[in-house]
Amino acid sequence: GAGVSQSPSNKVTEKGKDVELRCDPISGHTALYWYRQSLGQGLEFLIYFQGNSAPDKSGLPSDRFSAERTGGSVSTLTIQRTQQEDSAVYLCASSSGTVNSPLHFGNGTRLTVT
Amino acid sequence: QKEVEQDPGPLSVPEGAIVSLNCTYSNSAFQYFMWYRQYSRKGPELLMYTYSSGNKEDGRFTAQVDKSSKYISLFIRDSQPSDSATYLCAKGGSGGSNYKLTFGKGTLLTVNP
Repeated sequence: GAGVSQSPSNKVTEKGKDVELRCDPISGHTALYWYRQSLGQGLEFLIYFQGNSAPDKSGLPSDRFSAERTGGSVSTLTIQRTQQEDSAVYLCASSSGTVNSPLHFGNGTRLTVT
Repeated sequence: QKEVEQDPGPLSVPEGAIVSLNCTYSNSAFQYFMWYRQYSRKGPELLMYTYSSGNKEDGRFTAQVDKSSKYISLFIRDSQPSDSATYLCAKGGSGGSNYKLTFGKGTLLTVNP
């Protein structure tokens, strides 16, 4: 079956512009995550959605970052007024939502801020 | 101290070698651990997970957890060039944040034919 789909796969933007990254999780998965992977920094948790519960936004690095999940499926991560330090790979993952269920990752969006 | 520490390598071995990848963690409340493999320009894919101390085997891969020393390992037997990738260890969250995985920085492995 289809895995987690992310778009675009690459995005180059100028400093100060806004960007939107999209994630389409595996059908039926109720949990959705965004992680950021920077060179030499590993995967950094950003935000978690589970069903209709309030999201865990504790990993968002600043108020320029926001995310939403519409209809319990597709999610969009928005970065406003991008900065060079926002350059990274943004990974989306989904899971069945049961305790300790494994995460299934997409291939990420590679964001470059010039 | 970071919650999960992983030697970034890089690690280069000849084909057929036994590979040992290691991580340490700092919080004994953690209950489950995972190993992910990430090929270049791809997302991480789950290799193995374990909830308890001891060994868990799957083909050429063995995951080992030592909770007394807070040490987790992944062994790869008869390594192949196709095993060349970055390997990420991860631990599950605890309590009300049991959904939140924390990852090590990853070890880059190259298996030379």
